[in-house]
Amino acid sequence: EAGVAQSPRYKIIEKRQSVAFWCNPISGHATLYWYQQILGQGPKLLIQFQNNGVVDDSQLPKDRFSAERLKGVDSTLKIQPAKLEDSAVYLCASSVGTGGAVEQYFGPGTRLTVT
Amino acid sequence: GEDVEQSLFLSVREGDSSVINCTYTDSSSTYLYWYKQEPGAGLQLLTYIFSNMDMKQDQRLTVLLNKKDKHLSLRIADTQTGDSAIYFCAEKRGGSYIPTFGRGTSLIVHP
Repeated sequence: EAGVAQSPRYKIIEKRQSVAFWCNPISGHATLYWYQQILGQGPKLLIQFQNNGVVDDSQLPKDRFSAERLKGVDSTLKIQPAKLEDSAVYLCASSVGTGGAVEQYFGPGTRLTVT
Repeated sequence: GEDVEQSLFLSVREGDSSVINCTYTDSSSTYLYWYKQEPGAGLQLLTYIFSNMDMKQDQRLTVLLNKKDKHLSLRIADTQTGDSAIYFCAEKRGGSYIPTFGRGTSLIVHP
């Protein structure tokens, strides 16, 4: 079974530029998550999708971050414009659903450096 | 303070047992998890325990849960260099869809 795929793996941009990350979850997983992991911290949820609908985006800085999952499969996360404090690893995860133990499967992440 | 707390570092000798500790604050937590993150990789779910259990064993891994003290531990028997990684504790609260993560414990295994 293929895992969660993310691209690019690394990205360096200047502040005020835009960037987009892509995620392909495990086939059949209805729930998709985007996390931000700042160095030395645990992952922080940005947004959660159930199929193509948003379940929770309460922690997403909506003035600069946006995400979509139009066909209920792949997802993109965009930052526009980027700030220095956005430097982090952006992790995508998926799960079959949200009931019970919620076994999340994580992708390798995209490491973003904003200069 | 943090909702899920862990010590930042643990150093052990190869072949010894490692014990990584975690405390959480929400008594409504239903599931508690341990994830492993190797350098440059995403998080890998190692194991989880339901809140009505007090122990779970899976090969070299033993999870102990003290619900009264809101304390969770992960014991790794016969620790190997390949176990060197960051270990995250996470809790899933009642009424929440997703786990909340701690800051992670960096496990260093030396010969």
